[in-house]
Parts: sequence; structure tokens; C-alpha cells
Amino acid sequence: GAVVSQHPSRVICKSGTSVKIECRSLDFQATTMFWYRQFPKQSLMLMATSNEGSKATYEQGVEKDKFLINHASLTLSTLTVTSAHPEDSSFYICSASGRRGPTGGEINIQYFGAGTRLSVL
Amino acid sequence: AQKVTQAQTEISVVEKEDVTLDCVYETRDTTYYLFWYKQPPSGELVFLIRRNSFDEQNEISGRYSWNFQKSTSSFNFTITASQVVDSAVYFCALSPRSGGYNKLIFGAGTRLAVHP
Repeated sequence: GAVVSQHPSRVICKSGTSVKIECRSLDFQATTMFWYRQFPKQSLMLMATSNEGSKATYEQGVEKDKFLINHASLTLSTLTVTSAHPEDSSFYICSASGRRGPTGGEINIQYFGAGTRLSVL
Repeated sequence: AQKVTQAQTEISVVEKEDVTLDCVYETRDTTYYLFWYKQPPSGELVFLIRRNSFDEQNEISGRYSWNFQKSTSSFNFTITASQVVDSAVYFCALSPRSGGYNKLIFGAGTRLAVHP
């Protein structure tokens, strides 16, 4: 259980285009989803935290207008990189924590998606 | 300060050797969780273990074992009889109560290479 699916796994786009990344919890309700960015050979950097139905909370230094996060349902969050530029090229990875169904127990563990490698030309 | 230190950047071992990955944490919270995640070359972070700050019992799961010592603020991870498939980056992480147990504070990671 606790499977998180992230799509696409890889995207290559031209500078100036927008890219949308989806993160889905497949077998549990993700009350909270997280978006991270990871540079080569580095640790994960938290970008933002989103609770279902609420606006995302961004970490200091992360541009809200650049990285749009939507968490409209208990199983789906999206990250849109708007007007992407080469410096936005990175590995983006989502995670989710939540509960097993309407009456299930809390899952206070972040389960991660497989990540999306974004390359902006 | 809330911080996780994984002092070993890279470790290289030969198959069947035992290897210990160190993790030292700092937190002002008395209640927190500690985690280990594995990130293989494919990129996905795989959850390995979560430990509550009140539970100092060591844990063993197959070839994996964890040693949690509050006195030294350490949560070390040992792989016994390592295998090539253990090659990955391993992250230790802290989730303090003051963050609502929501935030994961990651260490820098330790890259483990197991050679045949």
C-alpha cells in the first residue's frame, strides 16, 4: 500500500513553455502533499506543502508565481512550472501523506513518487 | 537548530561486507520521528523505517538494522552482507513535532556503492 504515482517521469521542453507535473496517491487519501527539488548529488529541497483544498505553503525563496501548485482532490496534486527556463532544469519529486480511506488511520509517513526530470532547452 | 548530519558522503564496499551509515540529528523538540529512505538510481525515494523518539529499541528487518541512541542523537543504519542491489543514496530524515510532523528535514545523503 501507500503508492504514489508521478507523471511524467521525464520532460524536455523549450524555454518559455509551461510544464505540468502530476502527483497521485493511488491507494490512500493524500491530505498533505509535498513538492521537492533535487539537484545532482544533493539532498532534497522542500519547495512547498499543500493541503487538500487549501493554498500551498511555499518555502522561503520559492517563487509562487513560478511554481504553481494545485491540490484540488485527495488523490491529486499538480506542480506547474510556468515559463520554464534552463535554470529550472532539475529533478522534481513529490510525496504524500494522509489516511487510508474516510475512516482509516493516519499515515504520518511521506511516500514519494518516482520523480520528474525536467530539462529546459 | 533542526538539522540532520550524514558525515559520510560516499562509501564503497565489496559485496558481502557489512556497512554502517551514520546519522546524527539536532532538534529542540522532545518528540520527533526519525526516518531512513533509500534512493536507487531510478530516483524514487523508498521508505525504509520510521522511529518514534520515545522508542529506543533497535530494529532489525532482514539484512537491515537500525541503532537509535538518544544520548548521542544518532540513528545509524547497518546493512549486513551487502549486495549490489543495495547500491543507492540513503537519506536520514527528522520530523519534529514543532513542524506538525509534516516537515522532513533531510540529511545530505550517503552514496553507497557495493561492488561485486
